[in-house]
Amino acid sequence: KAGVTQTPRYLIKTRGQQVTLSCSPISGHRSVSWYQQTPGQGLQFLFEYFSETQRNKGNFPGRFSGRQFSNSRSEMNVSTLELGDSALYLCASSLGLAGVRSYNEQFFGPGTRLTVL
Amino acid sequence: SQELEQSPQSLIVQEGKNLTINCTSSKTLYGLYWYKQKYGEGLIFLMMLQKGGEEKSHEKITAKLDEKKQQSSLHITASQPSHAGIYLCGADSNTGNQFYFGTGTSLTVIP
Repeated sequence: KAGVTQTPRYLIKTRGQQVTLSCSPISGHRSVSWYQQTPGQGLQFLFEYFSETQRNKGNFPGRFSGRQFSNSRSEMNVSTLELGDSALYLCASSLGLAGVRSYNEQFFGPGTRLTVL
Repeated sequence: SQELEQSPQSLIVQEGKNLTINCTSSKTLYGLYWYKQKYGEGLIFLMMLQKGGEEKSHEKITAKLDEKKQQSSLHITASQPSHAGIYLCGADSNTGNQFYFGTGTSLTVIP
């Protein structure tokens, strides 16, 4: 099976711009989660999508949004970029079956490194 | 929110030495995951522990879960340069609606 893919791998934007990141999960996986990784805050959960619906959400401002398509591919959007949004953004896919913890093993993509100037 | 504290923060060991990384939760653990990350890359799943007292091994890596102490440990036997990277523990929140990662342990193995 092909792994989780993320595009683009690197991105440079300026403050105030917006950005869209893409994540293609492993075939058959219906859950996609997004994480932000920074040296100061570590890995933080952004949100999870399951069957085209946002199922869970972390503590990030509304500038961070996402969506999931019928083929389970997901996009994450950050509007009005700030310097502090510079980070490695990781997505992870899993079967995502509620109540079945062993099916929630997450497989991570290589990440998109976003630099905001 | 749940906090996962890892210790040590960084570790430098000589090749062939054994080492242990600890992960302590501020709240009850409902399963504990261990991941490894090569610098600036995605995470690789190592192991998942679901029950108190559970112990799992894969190659030279062994992980244990102590639910009473809300702790997990990851032990590497006879470390190799290929073991270098950042080790992260992770856990679901008690409501299952968030996933938390530990603070991370950076491991360097000197040949």
